[in-house]
Amino acid sequence: DQQVKQNSPSLSVQEGRISILNCDYTNSMFDYFLWYKKYPAEGPTFLISISSIKDKNEDGRFTVFLNKSAKHLSLHIVPSQPGDSAVYFCAARGRDSNYQLIWGAGTKLIIKP
Amino acid sequence: DTEVTQTPKHLVMGMTNKKSLKCEQHMGHRAMYWYKQKAKKPPELMFVYSYEKLSINESVPSRFSPECPNSSLLNLHLHALQPEDSALYLCASSQDTLNPPYSNQPQHFGDGTRLSIL
Repeated sequence: DQQVKQNSPSLSVQEGRISILNCDYTNSMFDYFLWYKKYPAEGPTFLISISSIKDKNEDGRFTVFLNKSAKHLSLHIVPSQPGDSAVYFCAARGRDSNYQLIWGAGTKLIIKP
Repeated sequence: DTEVTQTPKHLVMGMTNKKSLKCEQHMGHRAMYWYKQKAKKPPELMFVYSYEKLSINESVPSRFSPECPNSSLLNLHLHALQPEDSALYLCASSQDTLNPPYSNQPQHFGDGTRLSIL
């Protein structure tokens, strides 16, 4: 039973446009959500996170939106750049766990020049 | 540049060999993690150390043996591995608190050791 779902295995976006990556979750105990970016042959790089008490967090070109009623979060990248091409993982942590991250399957983002 | 350093970057070993993976961080983090990642899959948690004590073992086979010599170092000792153990092994660290409310601090990952079992 997947508690964190990224339903799009891949996404292709034109350079300079907005990239929107989506993530859905089922566990209402999740209180902290993170996005990681992964290049081949490297470890995941932390991008941005959001606590369940907020609905938006922004850091430069990256913004994460959280809709608790829909159990949905999204990552917006504006403007998209070629270096953004990577696999993006959504992850969540529950109130009852200080360590366990529950991961989505990942979305491969391809930025076209 | 990652602040979590893992060595070696690549390791090829036979099923009867004994080897160790090493991980180091100097961010003052008190929680350290071992993950296994197969191609096109998210990381799978193996072990968690909190304040140098093993907190979580996700039912990992005994052929994997973790060790935390001090707050900056984490080792993973390997012995009698199987071909299906071939994967990317990732180390991560994070700030840690033993008391709620838990601090909302992300885990930071190293670049991993690519392990191949012949």
